[in-house]
This record gives sequence, C-alpha cells and structure tokens, in this order.
Amino acid sequence: NAGVTQTPKFRVLKTGQSMTLLCAQDMNHEYMYWYRQDPGMGLRLIHYSVGEGTTAKGEVPDGYNVSRLKKQNFLLGLESAAPSQTSVYFCASSYYFQEQFFGPGTRLTVL
Amino acid sequence: SQQGEEDPQALSIQEGENATMNCSYKTSINNLQWYRQNSGRGLVHLILIRSNEREKHSGRLRVTLDTSKKSSSLLITASRAADTASYFCATDHRDDKIIFGKGTRLHILP
Repeated sequence: NAGVTQTPKFRVLKTGQSMTLLCAQDMNHEYMYWYRQDPGMGLRLIHYSVGEGTTAKGEVPDGYNVSRLKKQNFLLGLESAAPSQTSVYFCASSYYFQEQFFGPGTRLTVL
Repeated sequence: SQQGEEDPQALSIQEGENATMNCSYKTSINNLQWYRQNSGRGLVHLILIRSNEREKHSGRLRVTLDTSKKSSSLLITASRAADTASYFCATDHRDDKIIFGKGTRLHILP
C-alpha cells in the first residue's frame, strides 16, 4: 500500500497564479485533512473532510478551497496565490478520530 | 488559536538520558495524540491516549494525561540519537477538528 501520497512535491508559483494540490490515500479512511507548516508555527489546519462530498473549514481557511469528490482523494486549491501562502503543505488521513497518516509534504514557494 | 501548546520549545539532552516534554490545552478533549517529525518529513504517529485514560506506554514512550489540569506529558526513556526530532501533541474536539501544537524540538547529544 502506498499510504498517503501528495502531488506535486515541489512547486514555485508567481503571485496571482492558481494551482491544485492532490492528496490520495489507499487506506479507505473517512477523514482527510490539509495542514500548512511554517517555521515555528507547528501545523495549522486549513480544511478537512469527514467523508466523501463533505468539507469544512479549519483554523486558516482563507485563500484556499477544497473538494472531496472521491473518498480516496482530497484536493486543495489556491485560486490566486500570495507570498503569504509560501509554506510546506501536508495532507493526512485517518479512520475517524484515530491516528493520522501523513503524506510526505509539498513545498510551495510563491514569488 | 492553537489548542495544544508544548513545553519546552527546545530540549537538548545527552544520549541515554530521559526526555520529558509537556503539552497543555484549553478546552475539553476526546483524545490526545503525540507525533514525531524528523526534519523535512511528514509526521509519524506515536501514541493516542483517550480522555478516560491516565497513562499509556509504548516501548520507551510513556504518556500521561491529566484532564483536571488539561495537560499531558511525553517521556522518552534511554534516549538515542535517532530520537532527535520535533514532537507534537494533537487534540481532537467535538467539531471534528484535530489541532496541533507548535512542537518541542528535541536534540540528543552524543
């Protein structure tokens, strides 16, 4: 099993550009999460989903949108990237409130 | 604001010593989890303790939970160089969110 995978691993954007980050899990987990990690800030929850077709806002949702059309995939979109969105993005999944399994992360730089 | 807050922010100890880090939170929780992150990698789950549990062990790890004080501690015994990492606590809430703290950076000195 691949676990949780994230695509792409690295990306550089210019201010105002858009992009989508893809997270996929093969563990049949109901819950999926998107976090961002900045130096000294720990992980901050952006959006999460408790099942196919459902999404909810986390701590820092502004500037991001998500979709969960299929149970195994959770997409994070940036419609108009800003330098403040430069960060490392992690996706995670879990079987309800059990341990979360994390992907390897996506390093995004917005110039 | 973030729910879990780890203390200390950074900790350096000699190999073989025990390492203790603490986590405090603000509101009632269902579960509390501890994770480890090696530099540049994703987080790895270490242990989950439920709100009705007071202590849990896993290998060299010992976690305690005091719901009256809204705090938890992670003890790593007989530390090794491979334990060098950042450690995070995560708390879950009735609104389905899981919130991470800022972490403790642990450095094991040879």
